[in-house]
Amino acid sequence: DAGITQSPRHKVTETGTPVTLRCHQTENHRYMYWYRQDPGHGLRLIHYSYGVKDTDKGEVSDGYSVSRSKTEDFLLTLESATSSQTSVYFCAISARQNTGELFFGEGSRLTVL
Amino acid sequence: SQQGEEDPQALSIQEGENATMNCSYKTSINNLQWYRQNSGRGLVHLILIRSNEREKHSGRLRVTLDTSKKSSSLLITASRAADTASYFCATVPNRDDKIIFGKGTRLHILP
Repeated sequence: DAGITQSPRHKVTETGTPVTLRCHQTENHRYMYWYRQDPGHGLRLIHYSYGVKDTDKGEVSDGYSVSRSKTEDFLLTLESATSSQTSVYFCAISARQNTGELFFGEGSRLTVL
Repeated sequence: SQQGEEDPQALSIQEGENATMNCSYKTSINNLQWYRQNSGRGLVHLILIRSNEREKHSGRLRVTLDTSKKSSSLLITASRAADTASYFCATVPNRDDKIIFGKGTRLHILP
């Protein structure tokens, strides 16, 4: 299995609080992605990174920010969580642009009350 | 909006039968990938087909790609109980780093 660790795996928080999800990889892959998965929507891309300090927006980036200060870590931050951000968040990594397969973490389940 | 759309949304078949899932997409692609997701787990890569390929096999999996129709199909032959999962297609657009997933097909194999 690819070395991807997401933390925390489960979190319950209240509306308006900041939340940071962490994705850590031991594969030294260049590309990292954050997706959210919701019933009826499948997986939607939030943000992705193509290198240290290089990030770009995905389909549903509003309300989220990311940072990548090291190759191995990709952080997803919800500055002020809302109930609509209740979801399961998946991190994925890839070694190659376009042609690379994605390796997924086990997911982080976030509930915003 | 999402690039890929799987069809059907859900599929139930008897063990031993073949399962076919379809994916349609909107823009030109570099390649198309299929993933499986078991309940409560992360996605697992199954197979990748490039835009210049028409068919690809991997074990009991057969994938076809028709770029003129912007569609792909995933065939699982001789289905097993362990194939029960959700299956997603993911498209990789040309000149883009983003990998966009469809909504998935839920496959249930009946004993």
